[in-house]
Amino acid sequence: QSALTQPPSASGSRGQSVTISCTGSTSDVGGYNYVSWFQQHPGKAPRLMIYEVNKRPSGVPDRFSGSKSGSTASLTVSGLQAEDEADYYCSSYAGSNSVLFGGGTKLTVL
Amino acid sequence: EVKLLESGGGLVQPGGSLRLSCAASGFSFSSYAMSWVRQAPGKGLQWVSSINSSGGTTYLADSVKGRFTISRDNSKNTLFLQLNSLRADDTAVYYCAKGGYYARYEYWGQGTLVTVSS
Repeated sequence: QSALTQPPSASGSRGQSVTISCTGSTSDVGGYNYVSWFQQHPGKAPRLMIYEVNKRPSGVPDRFSGSKSGSTASLTVSGLQAEDEADYYCSSYAGSNSVLFGGGTKLTVL
Repeated sequence: EVKLLESGGGLVQPGGSLRLSCAASGFSFSSYAMSWVRQAPGKGLQWVSSINSSGGTTYLADSVKGRFTISRDNSKNTLFLQLNSLRADDTAVYYCAKGGYYARYEYWGQGTLVTVSS
């Protein structure tokens, strides 16, 4: 199984919105509504930002939203803030009791 | 407060073994599936293994099948990962996470570094 495909980098100015894509196949992203998104700052453990495509855990700002169309999931960060600068990873249930992660996207806030 | 604390990492020679532990507190450990996720230096996240709440069913990534074993001791609120036949490409920070293969990993440990090198 290959990793899910994410753009290596993304950027946006403070206050703007940015969308990060995560492309898989019908065997993973397209086949299940179990897509999660994680934020990771350097040297820190990942933080869950979105689960089950578009649900936010308690404490995650509503500036973060998730969606899915076909085999591509997306994370949108609205009203970019300096602290949003981090690496972002998507994941998906991939059938046969397994999980796939994306390669990660480095988000820069200009 | 949910806490996950990994231990057991270190430097090991190729072909060697290590046993990682993850001590859990702040939630009903025996009610939740648990997982291990690793991250090679400078690389992305990779799911390694999950185990159901009772410990009776385990799941492993193809890359570690036959070499790694996940287990748990619900009486001690502890998750384990036995790493055998280690290779250089197993070098990574290993995180334990609350949750199973649907990847709703809301809680993570701080990670423990495994370095495989001669």
